[in-house]
Amino acid sequence: QVQLQESGPGLVKPAETLSLTCTVSGGSISSSSYYWGWIRQPPGKGLEWIGSISYSGTTYYNPSLKSRVTISADTSKNQVSLKLTSVTAADTAVYYCARHPGVYAMNFDSWGQGALVTVSS
Amino acid sequence: QSALTQPASLSGSPGQAISISCTGTSSDVGSYNYVSWYQQHPGKAPKLMIYDVSNRPSGISNRFSASKSGNTASLTISGLQAEDEADYYCSSFSSSTTRVVFGGGTKLTVL
Repeated sequence: QVQLQESGPGLVKPAETLSLTCTVSGGSISSSSYYWGWIRQPPGKGLEWIGSISYSGTTYYNPSLKSRVTISADTSKNQVSLKLTSVTAADTAVYYCARHPGVYAMNFDSWGQGALVTVSS
Repeated sequence: QSALTQPASLSGSPGQAISISCTGTSSDVGSYNYVSWYQQHPGKAPKLMIYDVSNRPSGISNRFSASKSGNTASLTISGLQAEDEADYYCSSFSSSTTRVVFGGGTKLTVL
């Protein structure tokens, strides 16, 4: 059974870059069966898709964040990474990595436990 | 404002059945059978309960069912149990550039 684990700094200063890593175990991120996405949830609010990366490295981003987001994959470490630049307090959220089966089938069937990132000086 | 509209809250008594609606547009719910439902308990990650409108992943109770009509999808929980008290989110593939949109979430209270 696949497991996902987010890691990274819990506190980021305004205007700096948020960096998170999702380590996948129990399955290969290179598998052609799955895509790997990032979703965030501000405290007390709903879910927002940030972007996804395919098994072949193709990326898809939420247009509202596209200018600040980079998602990449390290197949040797079986990790997917998220970078979000020029953060503000509005980027404070729990960040989840999750798996989905297709570019249209964006049903996230396995999730990490989430990483709370606070943007504050 | 979320792209998909859900009631903010619902409540029901143990044993009852409740339905949560999720209204979108012809760019998402109305045109694609890629509607999903998630259950989220406080402090936990969301859990996929329904995918592709009405399919249950392995291990999900058959008390959870879902359907779609036009631009509105619905999740029905029958035989309400205390453990069903949670937030529920719908999502859909979208032909807009956003690709996937979520509802604002429905807080279900089991009285």
